[in-house]
Amino acid sequence: GENVEQHPSTLSVQEGDSAVIKCTYSDSASNYFPWYKQELGKGPQLIIDIRSNVGEKKDQRIAVTLNKTAKHFSLHITETQPEDSAVYFCAASSTDSSYKLIFGSGTRLLVRP
Amino acid sequence: EPEVTQTPSHQVTQMGQEVILRCVPISNHLYFYWYRQILGQKVEFLVSFYNNEISEKSEIFDDQFSVERPDGSNFTLKIRSTKLEDSAMYFCASSGLIQETQYFGPGTRLLVL
Repeated sequence: GENVEQHPSTLSVQEGDSAVIKCTYSDSASNYFPWYKQELGKGPQLIIDIRSNVGEKKDQRIAVTLNKTAKHFSLHITETQPEDSAVYFCAASSTDSSYKLIFGSGTRLLVRP
Repeated sequence: EPEVTQTPSHQVTQMGQEVILRCVPISNHLYFYWYRQILGQKVEFLVSFYNNEISEKSEIFDDQFSVERPDGSNFTLKIRSTKLEDSAMYFCASSGLIQETQYFGPGTRLLVL
């Protein structure tokens, strides 16, 4: 089955700097890759997603890139702010498997003021 | 903005007892999911549900687990005889016409003593 690896497990950046989180997946059938942000005591919140027919997608300060050949995708946050501090999860899913999400292990991002 | 809600937010139970976790998905959504997150571990898929039947279930979802949509709004997860290892955060998610885009509830923290 699908396996998703995520790095780094923790990331500390200065406010205003960029943050990059990377994930790799194993199943070439995966075709949908969402990113979720989880704040303390809350459920995962979808922040951006990308499908396998697209290489890059951007939404304001957040962007995601996908390399299907290498089976990896990345989240880029520019001009980080303290409110970006949270745990970020990548995930992968496919039409072959009722779109169940296979999650990475999470990255705890700390943005220092 | 519509959101997924879950009750209770916390539940403490004795080993061997039955628990029912409740979810109210977003009102026009068609696909429903349960995931769980053991403390410090990945979010794991449990089960997906569509058209009043299970679409897919994971190895975790054994005979002790069941799901139901008893009316037009609630989606429940029942654990028949809880074990210590069932202690986790349980998340409900739902999706609409774009099946892969799943929205998560805030979770129920289950503690089995």
